[in-house]
Amino acid sequence: GDSVTQMEGPVTLSEEAFLTINCTYTATGYPSLFWYVQYPGEGLQLLLKATKADDKGSNKGFEATYRKETTSFHLEKGSVQVSDSAVYFCALTSAPSNTGKLIFGQGTTLQVKP
Amino acid sequence: DADVTQTPRNRITKTGKRIMLECSQTKGHDRMYWYRQDPGLGLRLIYYSFDVKDINKGEISDGYSVSRQAQAKFSLSLESAIPNQTALYFCATSGATASKNNEQFFGPGTRLTVL
Repeated sequence: GDSVTQMEGPVTLSEEAFLTINCTYTATGYPSLFWYVQYPGEGLQLLLKATKADDKGSNKGFEATYRKETTSFHLEKGSVQVSDSAVYFCALTSAPSNTGKLIFGQGTTLQVKP
Repeated sequence: DADVTQTPRNRITKTGKRIMLECSQTKGHDRMYWYRQDPGLGLRLIYYSFDVKDINKGEISDGYSVSRQAQAKFSLSLESAIPNQTALYFCATSGATASKNNEQFFGPGTRLTVL
């Protein structure tokens, strides 16, 4: 079945460091790919998404490119801030299903130190 | 006011008790979902509903039941709670368009502990 694998955490960085969180997927068909973020004590919220190969999703300085050839959707940010400390989830919805069901990776905790 | 609300936010209960977690939304969405979050496992889908008369099992529905009382309300029940149901539970909603691109909107979660 479809699945998502994220890099193990936690990831600890200093402020203004470059961030990469790796995400790879296995899916039949042509999935849409998402990054959700969960700040402490809150629910998940969509950070960015990409719906087809070579699309780049971006938001709040974060970017991720849908790479079909490597089945990857790595999250990047050029300069992290303390306020970016959160848990990041990579997810997909698979086609041709129209259920909208999300399949999540295990989550990666990011801690940014001043 | 929050678009997706969950009650209670925290609950401690004992093995064998019946528990109901409630979710309400003001987004006007037709689709609602229940997930559980466990450390190292991400979120896993328990049940989902496309409308009041359409309920579907997710990947881990055993030990759970749901009720869609209205478009805006979707409740999750544990008929006889057991310790391995200790987890963080999230409700989510999305629009009715038959699209795999739809964003899901999450509630703040309910932390359930079964002793």
